[in-house]
Amino acid sequence: SQKIEQNSEALNIQEGKTATLTCNYTNYSPAYLQWYRQDPGRGPVFLLLIRENEKEKRKERLKVTFDTTLKQSLFHITASQPADSATYLCALASKLVFGTGTRLLVSP
Amino acid sequence: NAGVTQTPKFQVLKTGQSMTLQCAQDMNHNSMYWYRQDPGMGLRLIYYSASEGTTDKGEVPNGYNVSRLNKREFSLRLESAAPSQTSVYFCASSEVSGSNQPQHFGDGTRLSIL
Repeated sequence: SQKIEQNSEALNIQEGKTATLTCNYTNYSPAYLQWYRQDPGRGPVFLLLIRENEKEKRKERLKVTFDTTLKQSLFHITASQPADSATYLCALASKLVFGTGTRLLVSP
Repeated sequence: NAGVTQTPKFQVLKTGQSMTLQCAQDMNHNSMYWYRQDPGMGLRLIYYSASEGTTDKGEVPNGYNVSRLNKREFSLRLESAAPSQTSVYFCASSEVSGSNQPQHFGDGTRLSIL
């Protein structure tokens, strides 16, 4: 079955630094991979989608890369802010499979 | 602009009781989904409805039933609640399923089974 792995340990960084979150997948070669943000007590909110033929996708301070050889996607937040603190989930949308998410904590 | 609305937000049940979780979306989406989210397990798909009139099992369907009442509404029923069903339940919708369309989630129902 398809599986997505995200680092379960929280990532702590200082404000202004770049946060990098990792998503690894197995047993499948997805055409698309999505990233969501989830705040405590709320449902996930869609952020970005990247296609397999796109090496990189950007939206404001967010950047996603997709390496089909490594079966990995990296999610970057540049110039991070305390308001970026949340859990970030990656998903194989076509298979309706989500990772467990990585919690990001940005300290002032 | 409501998006996906779930009711109730919180519920406590006793083992063996039944319960229906309600979900409605106002985005005219064709596809709707029910997930449960448990610590360390992430979001797991219970059932989904690719379009009005169809439903399919997901990864963890046992102990649940669903009804796609119309295009807007998709309900999840626990016939005989068990403590293992204590979880946060999320409903989501998308324009179509199995594609690159993003899912839009409600804010969840927090369900405790005693």
